[in-house]
Amino acid sequence: NAGVTQTPKFQVLKTGQSMTLQCAQDMNHNSMYWYRQDPGMGLRLIYYSASEGTTDKGEVPNGYNVSRLNKREFSLRLESAAPSQTSVYFCASIKEIRLQSEQYFGPGTRLTVT
Amino acid sequence: AQSVTQLDSQVPVFEEAPVELRCNYSSSVSVYLFWYVQYPNQGLQLLLKYLSGSTLVKGINGFEAEFNKSQTSFHLRKPSVHISDTAEYFCAVRRMDSSYKLIFGSGTRLLVRP
Repeated sequence: NAGVTQTPKFQVLKTGQSMTLQCAQDMNHNSMYWYRQDPGMGLRLIYYSASEGTTDKGEVPNGYNVSRLNKREFSLRLESAAPSQTSVYFCASIKEIRLQSEQYFGPGTRLTVT
Repeated sequence: AQSVTQLDSQVPVFEEAPVELRCNYSSSVSVYLFWYVQYPNQGLQLLLKYLSGSTLVKGINGFEAEFNKSQTSFHLRKPSVHISDTAEYFCAVRRMDSSYKLIFGSGTRLLVRP
């Protein structure tokens, strides 16, 4: 199993450009998450998907949209990138949202917006 | 609301010395507690978790943590560190009645010197 995979690993955007971050998991997990990591702030939840077909906002959803394409894939879209969105983005998944399960994290996407 | 405080942003220590990384949390409801480790340029990996039962929890790589409810703390310890333990360590909590949302501390960078 590859676990949780993310593409791309690195990306540089100009202000106003758009892009989609891709995430896929091969563990048959039901729930998936997008976090951003900023220095000195830990990880903050952007959006999550409790199950296929559902998405909900986390702590910092502004400026982002998500799509739960199918059970395996959960994408994060920046429609008009801003320098404040420079961050490292992590995708995570968990088998059952109601069980005491751990979240499995992808390797991250390092995004710079100039 | 829940919050997690990691009092030290960086902890330098010599190889084979003991280390303690501090974590305090605030919550009006019962929570589960976690420690994650992030090696350079990688995603987060679960070190250990406290769900219930014995307050001393053992994890991977020789780490352990003790849950202290009266002091609302969950400090991470290792009796003898290795160079390979150099990484960032995150404490996190999750409400027992809401399994989806992890609240992370700001992280502690453990720097092990030879």
